[in-house]
Amino acid sequence: SYQLTQDPAVSVALGQTVRITCQGDGLRSYYASWYQQKSGQAPILVIYARDNRPSGIPDRFSGSSSGDTASLTITGAQAEDEADYYCNSRDISGNRLFGGGTKLTVL
Amino acid sequence: EVQLVESGGGLIQPGESLRLSCAASGITVSSDYMSWVRQAPGKGLEWVSTLYAGGDTYYADSVKGRFTISRDNPKNTLFLQMNSLRVEDTAFYYCARDRMGVAGRAYYFDRWGQGTLVTVSS
Repeated sequence: SYQLTQDPAVSVALGQTVRITCQGDGLRSYYASWYQQKSGQAPILVIYARDNRPSGIPDRFSGSSSGDTASLTITGAQAEDEADYYCNSRDISGNRLFGGGTKLTVL
Repeated sequence: EVQLVESGGGLIQPGESLRLSCAASGITVSSDYMSWVRQAPGKGLEWVSTLYAGGDTYYADSVKGRFTISRDNPKNTLFLQMNSLRVEDTAFYYCARDRMGVAGRAYYFDRWGQGTLVTVSS
């Protein structure tokens, strides 16, 4: 199995744009999904199948990918976007895997 | 509305067993892929196990041979039987619906429960 690598922490000024990345060899074969987790809460899905947003997720959240790297972009970050973000995918054996998570701070 | 409600967590000693339950409403566990994901206090998410609608099961290496995922179709409930528990199994355990899309290239968890805490300690 491969690993998904994320930067541990990222910060963004209020209203600015931030990109959170996730790198792993398996992302060349399988799309990434992204989850937001606020303190004390269960994760919620914010992006699936590379660039799709579930109903109810603001359109400032977008996803993309290139090669072995997937990205989550927040355009015009809000204070309520401060959270931990995790990427997720699967490997060829059917196992699911998560990145280590990125703590986003909105300044 | 989809609801997943976990139960069965608690304080348990190393080496003992525990069974977690996930009662589902708004979805049919026998028709969907269902998974367990855990999170140790202050740590990241870790996939534990997945049960496919057809019955295939998958386990993380860290729990293989000790944990068993199953379901009760009439009760629409997912289970995780955890044997030979270790201190490092201490975590919040989340039940999640696992979806597949884009011709098998996309896998994602679209619904999550609120979790149940398992503490393994002597």
